[in-house]
Amino acid sequence: AQKITQTQPGMFVQEKEAVTLDCTYDTSDPSYGLFWYKQPSSGEMIFLIYQGSYDQQNATEGRYSLNFQKARKSANLVISASQLGDSAMYFCAMQGRVDSSYKLIFGSGTRLLVRP
Amino acid sequence: DAGITQSPRHKVTETGTPVTLRCHQTENHRYMYWYRQDPGHGLRLIHYSYGVKDTDKGEVSDGYSVSRSKTEDFLLTLESATSSQTSVYFCAIRSDRGLEQYFGPGTRLTVT
Repeated sequence: AQKITQTQPGMFVQEKEAVTLDCTYDTSDPSYGLFWYKQPSSGEMIFLIYQGSYDQQNATEGRYSLNFQKARKSANLVISASQLGDSAMYFCAMQGRVDSSYKLIFGSGTRLLVRP
Repeated sequence: DAGITQSPRHKVTETGTPVTLRCHQTENHRYMYWYRQDPGHGLRLIHYSYGVKDTDKGEVSDGYSVSRSKTEDFLLTLESATSSQTSVYFCAIRSDRGLEQYFGPGTRLTVT
């Protein structure tokens, strides 16, 4: 069975500093994808970044980067130069390739609060 | 913006009544999904569709049915709503260019 674990229910970061949100996963699929989504207080789910299990380099999208450590089964999200607008819930998700539904398995989320 | 709308956005209903939530997309995506979001659980898959009239169950499908008679519409029905189905419901599509999913704005359903 696939599982995503986010062990930090809530975190604080000072504006302009970097922050790492932890995500570990468990799967027996040889091929899979890892995703991060942001959910601001307004409620929408916003796709941030994707990492494939066979990708050689860590994914980056602007101020977001994914620290992928395959042997440790971790896919941490790093946000550089935090902004007040980064305050939100962040969800890590996994997608197996063996399952042709392409469904996402989500973690329980981390609430990030950026302090001015 | 993946062109996904959900209706209604908010609904309060009584236990035992039928409820249908609609997801509409404008870009002819093949895969569509219904998730529910509850505190402490992230999002969990209810049902998904991989084409017109092609649907399958997710991990929390009990008490829900779906239909997809047109590419653009994916309906989620609660045949007889229960208080445990009080939740926020999200529709999503799978990108045709990649593997990520894009979500609609959500429907907040309260069953009293």
